[in-house]
Amino acid sequence: DTEVTQTPKHLVMGMTNKKSLKCEQHMGHRAMYWYKQKAKKPPELMFVYSYEKLSINESVPSRFSPECPNSSLLNLHLHALQPEDSALYLCASSQGRTVYEQYFGPGTRLTVT
Amino acid sequence: GNSVTQMEGPVTLSEEAFLTINCTYTATGYPSLFWYVQYPGEGLQLLLKATKADDKGSNKGFEATYRKETTSFHLEKGSVQVSDSAVYFCALTLIQGAQKLVFGQGTRLTINP
Repeated sequence: DTEVTQTPKHLVMGMTNKKSLKCEQHMGHRAMYWYKQKAKKPPELMFVYSYEKLSINESVPSRFSPECPNSSLLNLHLHALQPEDSALYLCASSQGRTVYEQYFGPGTRLTVT
Repeated sequence: GNSVTQMEGPVTLSEEAFLTINCTYTATGYPSLFWYVQYPGEGLQLLLKATKADDKGSNKGFEATYRKETTSFHLEKGSVQVSDSAVYFCALTLIQGAQKLVFGQGTRLTINP
């Protein structure tokens, strides 16, 4: 099973809302990633979890809060977002600290109104 | 620093044409190289990879050879299909070091019947 799943597929939220994005993988991968992708651009790395510990935060605003409850799950908690945060949010996973290929989920299309 | 440069798109071809998408890289170490494909409305899928010089990655009729002397990893396919229409991203990661994929800007490919 080489699948990374993400829920929800689409999300519309107001600037005062709190919502969460969820990502799950059952490949035994120990590194998980959040990316943000704007239209016609490559994905931009936001966070990396390695062995359930946050190892990279690419200076992401605090209105985005990641959480890794266990090695299979990754959440992204959203609060007080801005319209410019509207984007496709992609989750990915890879085997571990020695990075080879990353496997991506289908993404959550987020619209902030 | 580490970077990836792809040929600018969009690229439009007729079905059964030969495809080349150029990719060159700059890296401080010894990178692994990847091609990812993103179909409309979807996440990224790993298309092929190469982890050392002269390696050839191949999948679904696509090929790319890791050329250290020219720091290139060009994507080729002998006969494209309408279903190959997508955005293609060249990317690199260092075998040791930060867990980051460095993406090129992406090349949008459209295949006309």
